[in-house]
Amino acid sequence: AQSVTQPDIHITVSEGASLELRCNYSYGATPYLFWYVQSPGQGLQLLLKYFSGDTLVQGIKGFEAEFKRSQSSFNLRKPSVHWSDAAEYFCAVGGSGGYQKVTFGTGTKLQVIP
Amino acid sequence: DTGVSQDPRHKITKRGQNVTFRCDPISEHNRLYWYRQTLGQGPEFLTYFQNEAQLEKSRLLSDRFSAERPKGSFSTLEIQRTEQGDSAMYLCASSLVDGELFFGEGSRLTVL
Repeated sequence: AQSVTQPDIHITVSEGASLELRCNYSYGATPYLFWYVQSPGQGLQLLLKYFSGDTLVQGIKGFEAEFKRSQSSFNLRKPSVHWSDAAEYFCAVGGSGGYQKVTFGTGTKLQVIP
Repeated sequence: DTGVSQDPRHKITKRGQNVTFRCDPISEHNRLYWYRQTLGQGPEFLTYFQNEAQLEKSRLLSDRFSAERPKGSFSTLEIQRTEQGDSAMYLCASSLVDGELFFGEGSRLTVL
């Protein structure tokens, strides 16, 4: 069964500092991988996705993520965090074709301090 | 593209009552998903459709939950004999096959 682990429940960073949110997945074939962001009272918004090709993917708001098959990881990074990045971040895994659902992790809540 | 819309946005009901949520996906999307989210948790998969076919239903979902997508367009999620543990945000998302999910704003259920 597919699954996602986000080991960090809560992370606090200073504004302007770099950020890395960890995501490990379990999937039997080549996965589709996603990062979503959810601000308080808002819906889930896609930050970026990996389907194939270049393992370093760029997303919106200056985020990027790197797919590492050998480590079953898809960590999210940002070089300089802004106060508006405070939100909850969810990693998700799905599969190509056929009957594939998308499974989400439990999320990492990001706090940004001035 | 008007996005995914869900109705109602908030439902308060008494334990034992039935509730129904509706989701209108993005028109050209053939996949539709239902998730449940409780405070501090990630979206938990409930079920999904490809066109009108329900392809998978979570084993965690009791028989009190049923979903339909009769013509491959909008979908309904019905919860019968609601329990307090059903209180949650119910999220709908749609996608193309092998595509990213686009989420609605959610329908919040409160069971008293």
